[in-house]
Amino acid sequence: DVKVTQSSRYLVKRTGEKVFLECVQDMDHENMFWYRQDPGLGLRLIYFSYDVKMKEKGDIPEGYSVSREKKERFSLILESASTNQTSMYLCASGTDWVSYEQYFGPGTRLTVT
Amino acid sequence: DAKTTQPPSMDCAEGRAANLPCNHSTISGNEYVYWYRQIHSQGPQYIIHGLKNNETNEMASLIITEDRKSSTLILPHATLRDTAVYYCIVRVAYDKIIFGKGTRLHILP
Repeated sequence: DVKVTQSSRYLVKRTGEKVFLECVQDMDHENMFWYRQDPGLGLRLIYFSYDVKMKEKGDIPEGYSVSREKKERFSLILESASTNQTSMYLCASGTDWVSYEQYFGPGTRLTVT
Repeated sequence: DAKTTQPPSMDCAEGRAANLPCNHSTISGNEYVYWYRQIHSQGPQYIIHGLKNNETNEMASLIITEDRKSSTLILPHATLRDTAVYYCIVRVAYDKIIFGKGTRLHILP
């Protein structure tokens, strides 16, 4: 079975802190994604990567950056956390572009105080 | 914005077929219809996808109308574990998917 793991299920950080969210997949997928999920807004794409060291902005990249140094690992970075970044963060990985099936991790609930 | 329209919620009796509708009237010829679901406190789970033909797998069936402007996800024998939010998604572009607000499906015992 495909497994996508995220470094933390729950995280509490202070405003202004630099925050790292880690995601690891074990299926040698080329594509990896970061989403955030907020009540009433559904899932929104922050960034995605289709290869090592490659990244593309999604719909809401402001305030975030990403890093993909190894194929299996995709990190989301909040350079200076703000309260409006309190959210559920979901990582996903996927294989080919035609079927575009994505496998999601369990999510990290981040609270910024 | 999501390119799909789904009812916000639906109820289905346990053991009966759950039929979840989705409208995607602006779908392009090369766009697929995907269904995912999200059980509470978990990440979304892929269910099924299709282009033109009806599709079936171990989880569900997908019925796409001939004009491709709408589709229906069918869970043939719903159980309490099928209670979740179901997302109908049309692939917007070559490289990203937009999730809408989905349908919250309640399975009633």
